[in-house]
Amino acid sequence: NAGVTQTPKFQVLKTGQSMTLQCAQDMNHEYMSWYRQDPGMGLRLIHYSVGAGITDQGEVPNGYNVSRSTTEDFPLRLLSAAPSQTSVYFCASSYSAGRYGYTFGSGTRLTVV
Amino acid sequence: GQQVMQIPQYQHVQEGEDFTTYCNSSTTLSNIQWYKQRPGGHPVFLIQLVKSGEVKKQKRLTFQFGEAKKNSSLHITATQTTDVGTYFCAGPNTGNQFYFGTGTSLTVIP
Repeated sequence: NAGVTQTPKFQVLKTGQSMTLQCAQDMNHEYMSWYRQDPGMGLRLIHYSVGAGITDQGEVPNGYNVSRSTTEDFPLRLLSAAPSQTSVYFCASSYSAGRYGYTFGSGTRLTVV
Repeated sequence: GQQVMQIPQYQHVQEGEDFTTYCNSSTTLSNIQWYKQRPGGHPVFLIQLVKSGEVKKQKRLTFQFGEAKKNSSLHITATQTTDVGTYFCAGPNTGNQFYFGTGTSLTVIP
């Protein structure tokens, strides 16, 4: 099994551009989430989903959109990139929210110039 | 909202010394999880603690969950260079959100 696959691994955007970070899992996990990781700030939750068709906001949702049309895929959209969104983004999935360990993807390193 | 704090933020140890990181929550947790992230890598799940006062061991790693279920610790005995990385604790809030601590970065000096 591939686990959690994130693409791209690296991306440079200009301020104001939009893009979609892809996340796919093949473990039939119901719960998927997006985190951003910045130095000294740990992992902060952006958005999460408890199943297909259901999404909700985390602690830092502004500037990001998500959708969950299938169990496998959970893309993260940056609407209008800003330098403050320069970060490493991780997608994670689990059988359920908070009761089982999370499997993380390898991350997307995003730079906004 | 819930906050999960970790101390220390950084720790340098000589190889062979012990290491401990502490995790404290402002609210009672139903469970707590621990993760390890190698430099340049992604977090990898280590263990989950559920019961008050629970202690679990994985080789040289010992995990404890406090009696009040508001704090936890990870202790590594006789560190090795393979232990290098950042260790995170994480816990759920009353909803479906899962909060990570700020992490403790461990450097092991050979």
